[in-house]
Amino acid sequence: DAGVTQTPRHEVAEKGQTIILKCEPVSGHNDLFWYRQTKIQGLELLSYFRSKSLMEDGGAFKDRFKAEMLNSSFSTLKIQPTEPKDSAVYLCASSPDGANTEVFFGKGTRLTVV
Amino acid sequence: GEQVEQRPPHLSVREGDSAVITCTYTDPNSYYFFWYKQEPGASLQLLMKVFSSTEINEGQGFTVLLNKKDKRLSLNLTAAHPGDSAAYFCAVSGFGGSGNKLIFGTGTLLSVKP
Repeated sequence: DAGVTQTPRHEVAEKGQTIILKCEPVSGHNDLFWYRQTKIQGLELLSYFRSKSLMEDGGAFKDRFKAEMLNSSFSTLKIQPTEPKDSAVYLCASSPDGANTEVFFGKGTRLTVV
Repeated sequence: GEQVEQRPPHLSVREGDSAVITCTYTDPNSYYFFWYKQEPGASLQLLMKVFSSTEINEGQGFTVLLNKKDKRLSLNLTAAHPGDSAAYFCAVSGFGGSGNKLIFGTGTLLSVKP
């Protein structure tokens, strides 16, 4: 049974580029989350989808970050344009029915912006 | 919104010692509480979920205490061993709607020395 799959595992981008991170949630899960993980800020919620509808888009990340979920088995996170401060690990997670059921995390995409 | 503070950020203990990590949160409506473990290069792994008002839960080699009156959650590794070395994160969530998302503490990096 496949867990949450994220691609790529590593990404290096130049400042100003557009990058797209991909996530496949666990099959049948209704909820999908994008988090950013840094040593200083910890895990910050970027977006939360429930049955493909955007429930929360993480306020402070609105201007250059856009998450989409065009179907129930695939989500993307676009960062445009990238800045060096975006260097972080981006985690995708899914759950059957919100955080009150178990949330499964992917291994993350490590983004480095130079 | 909810704020979760986690202490200490770093913890180093000897094998066989206990290790205690504590989180405090601000939203009295927070409903579910979680502890996650993250080993280097790996996904976050759920250790335990609790949701009663005051509860002590025991897992394999650890105890979780929730005190809703004080808005405090703690994880106690009773006899730590080197395999417990990892980052630990507490998380809280609300109930229903957009509350169905995890808000994380900033993490504790635990090192258990032989």
